[in-house]
Amino acid sequence: SQTIHQWPATLVQPVGSPLSLECTVEGTSNPNLYWYRQAAGRGLQLLFYSVGIGQISSEVPQNLSASRPQDRQFILSSKKLLLSDSGFYLCAWSVKQGVGTDTQYFGPGTRLTVL
Amino acid sequence: GNSVTQMEGPVTLSEEAFLTINCTYTATGYPSLFWYVQYPGEGLQLLLKATKADDKGSNKGFEATYRKETTSFHLEKGSVQVSDSAVYFCALTLNTNAGKSTFGDGTTLTVKP
Repeated sequence: SQTIHQWPATLVQPVGSPLSLECTVEGTSNPNLYWYRQAAGRGLQLLFYSVGIGQISSEVPQNLSASRPQDRQFILSSKKLLLSDSGFYLCAWSVKQGVGTDTQYFGPGTRLTVL
Repeated sequence: GNSVTQMEGPVTLSEEAFLTINCTYTATGYPSLFWYVQYPGEGLQLLLKATKADDKGSNKGFEATYRKETTSFHLEKGSVQVSDSAVYFCALTLNTNAGKSTFGDGTTLTVKP
């Protein structure tokens, strides 16, 4: 079966510090991958998605970047965090072809607090 | 563009009450429709889905029917439990769009014993 991991689970960082959040998927190959941010009490904002290694599409211009160095690894980064980067970050994957391409499967999330 | 509008919360119900959370959508194509649930401190989990008009998705006593004529996908449950307390998200996906989903803002449900 497929599983998706995110780490760390919780992170507290000072303003201006760098960020690296990692997401890995097991049990599937060549998935579509997604990064979302969920601000407190708000819905989901799609930040980046990737259809393959090295292929990143940005949905919202911002202080963050994403990379996909391996097929099942998706990394969210920042060189200098802002207070507004605080939130709950969710990674998700979906099947690229065949049955169930419309369904997304989410990781457990990373709670980021920027102070 | 695509959008999902769902009933604003929070919603507070007593145990065994009937639940309805409204969801309407606009889409440039023929989407699949979803309800996801998020328990406190966790990621989202798929609750149910429907892929074509008049389909009914159901799971754990929840159900929703894909209504193309009213562009709606309302979530219902006949008798809620305390364990149903969570945030519920309505979403749509167009398969031509790299599998990207559009989500509503979420509705927080609290069920009191």
